[in-house]
Amino acid sequence: AQSVTQPDIHITVSEGASLELRCNYSYGATPYLFWYVQSPGQGLQLLLKYFSGDTLVQGIKGFEAEFKRSQSSFNLRKPSVHWSDAAEYFCAVVYSGGYQKVTFGTGTKLQVIP
Amino acid sequence: DTGVSQDPRHKITKRGQNVTFRCDPISEHNRLYWYRQTLGQGPEFLTYFQNEAQLEKSRLLSDRFSAERPKGSFSTLEIQRTEQGDSAMYLCASSLGGGKSSYNSPLHFGNGTRLTVT
Repeated sequence: AQSVTQPDIHITVSEGASLELRCNYSYGATPYLFWYVQSPGQGLQLLLKYFSGDTLVQGIKGFEAEFKRSQSSFNLRKPSVHWSDAAEYFCAVVYSGGYQKVTFGTGTKLQVIP
Repeated sequence: DTGVSQDPRHKITKRGQNVTFRCDPISEHNRLYWYRQTLGQGPEFLTYFQNEAQLEKSRLLSDRFSAERPKGSFSTLEIQRTEQGDSAMYLCASSLGGGKSSYNSPLHFGNGTRLTVT
């Protein structure tokens, strides 16, 4: 079964520092990978997605993610974090070969300190 | 694109009562999903519709839960005889699917309905 692991439950970074959030997916067929962000009390907003092609994908709000098949990873990065980036981030996967059932990780809560 | 809307935003109910939530997807989206999210967890898949057909139900969806999408547009999720363990955020999402292109259409989420069962 498809699954996603986000090993960091909570991360604190200083404003202006770089950020990397980790995501690993279970081995399977060609994965389609997503990062979503959720502010308190809100739904999820898509940051970026990877389907194929260039393994470094750019998203909204200055985020990027790199797909590494050899490591089964899809880590999210941002070179300089802003206070408004404080939120919870979810990695998600869907596998080809079926309809679009998306499986989410447990999330990483990002705290940004001034 | 007016987005996915969910109603109500918050619902407080007493144990044993029935509740119903509504989701209006993005108008041209043919796929609709219900997810449940508890504190500190990612969203968990509950059920999925393509047009009016309910194509999959998670084992999380007990007999007390029922979802409908009668005309392939809006959807309702009903919970009968609510229990305290049903307290969660219920998220609705929609996407445009069909054929291989379906994988290029990410889910668009509503802001959810937060259910509290006392």
